[in-house]
Amino acid sequence: AQSVTQLGSHVSVSEGALVLLRCNYSSSVPPYLFWYVQYPNQGLQLLLKYTSAATLVKGINGFEAEFKKSETSFHLTKPSAHMSDAAEYFCAVSRMEYGNKLVFGAGTILRVKS
Amino acid sequence: DVKVTQSSRYLVKRTGEKVFLECVQDMDHENMFWYRQDPGLGLRLIYFSYDVKMKEKGDIPEGYSVSREKKERFSLILESASTNQTSMYLCASGTGTPGSGELFFGEGSRLTVL
Repeated sequence: AQSVTQLGSHVSVSEGALVLLRCNYSSSVPPYLFWYVQYPNQGLQLLLKYTSAATLVKGINGFEAEFKKSETSFHLTKPSAHMSDAAEYFCAVSRMEYGNKLVFGAGTILRVKS
Repeated sequence: DVKVTQSSRYLVKRTGEKVFLECVQDMDHENMFWYRQDPGLGLRLIYFSYDVKMKEKGDIPEGYSVSREKKERFSLILESASTNQTSMYLCASGTGTPGSGELFFGEGSRLTVL
């Protein structure tokens, strides 16, 4: 079975500060991992994905994530938060047995203070 | 620009009513999905379809059915709405490539059952 755990349902940072959103996965086989972002009143959009090519993955809007197999983690970071980063972020793992069915974490709401 | 369109952003229905949620994608994707989003629970898969007239149950199919008569359209049906089906419903589509992972989401349909 595959699942993801996002640590912290709410994270608050000051504008310009480091953003760190935590995700740990459980998978019996090497996973594909994803981060999605949901802005208020919108659907989800892909931030970045890990598909075993490189452990450090760069995404849109200055976000990146590092796959650490030893820690079963895929944490999302951004060096300097911007007000426009305020959103809900979802970590997800794909089910390898068919297609691209994704299992999502519970989500982390990021608040950026001015 | 790629697009997944959900027919209704907001619906209010009464207990026992039949509810149809429509989703159309213009990307010629093989796979389409219906998720339910609830605070603290993330996104949970209700049903998905990997081809016309094909469907498979997701993690929480009880109380729901789906229809896919054309490749671009995937409908979610609540045969007899209940208050515990009050939620945000998200439709998504993606290619059939295993592990590609990128799903394109609609803006969601917020259903309230009274």
